[in-house]
Amino acid sequence: NAGVTQTPKFRVLKTGQSMTLLCAQDMNHEYMYWYRQDPGMGLRLIHYSVGEGTTAKGEVPDGYNVSRLKKQNFLLGLESAAPSQTSVYFCASHKGGLEQYFGPGTRLTVT
Amino acid sequence: RKEVEQDPGPFNVPEGATVAFNCTYSNSASQSFFWYRQDCRKEPKLLMSVYSSGNEDGRFTAQLNRASQYISLLIRDSKLSDSATYLCVVIATSGTYKYIFGTGTRLKVLA
Repeated sequence: NAGVTQTPKFRVLKTGQSMTLLCAQDMNHEYMYWYRQDPGMGLRLIHYSVGEGTTAKGEVPDGYNVSRLKKQNFLLGLESAAPSQTSVYFCASHKGGLEQYFGPGTRLTVT
Repeated sequence: RKEVEQDPGPFNVPEGATVAFNCTYSNSASQSFFWYRQDCRKEPKLLMSVYSSGNEDGRFTAQLNRASQYISLLIRDSKLSDSATYLCVVIATSGTYKYIFGTGTRLKVLA
């Protein structure tokens, strides 16, 4: 039981490049989330999903897209990376009103 | 006003000391409350849930005051290993389980 995994762990992008972050969970959780964490800002919700095939915008969705084609996977895409997207990205999942389980994070630097 | 507010600290305390953190929230309809712990450059992990009646887990005690809209975390007999950032989390279950994270309170336990 791996819990929540994230790929990749680190990435450096140049401005304008695109990439996809993958989150996978093996706990059969319905709810999945993507957050970004910046110094002094706390965790901010980018997008979330309440079940397979559904996605919704969070607090800071601009510049990101997501997809949840399979229940266990939640993908976060950056179509044209900007330096303001330099951050640590965390994926999380839960079963409904209970503990959120977090992945180990992806450290992204955009130069 | 932020939805969830915490004193960022740092709280520097000697080993064996008792330390308390507070967290205030603005949404009176908030349903569930948690304390998470986050070690440097790691993912947040659940420390404990917070119940109206208060709850204790070893050296840790959490309390909720709905009238004044704050939750607290008390750590007794601090250990060096307690050094971390403590995140207050509030959930407003508007059908989508929106988790609101505080920016965290940093604790340093000194030898």
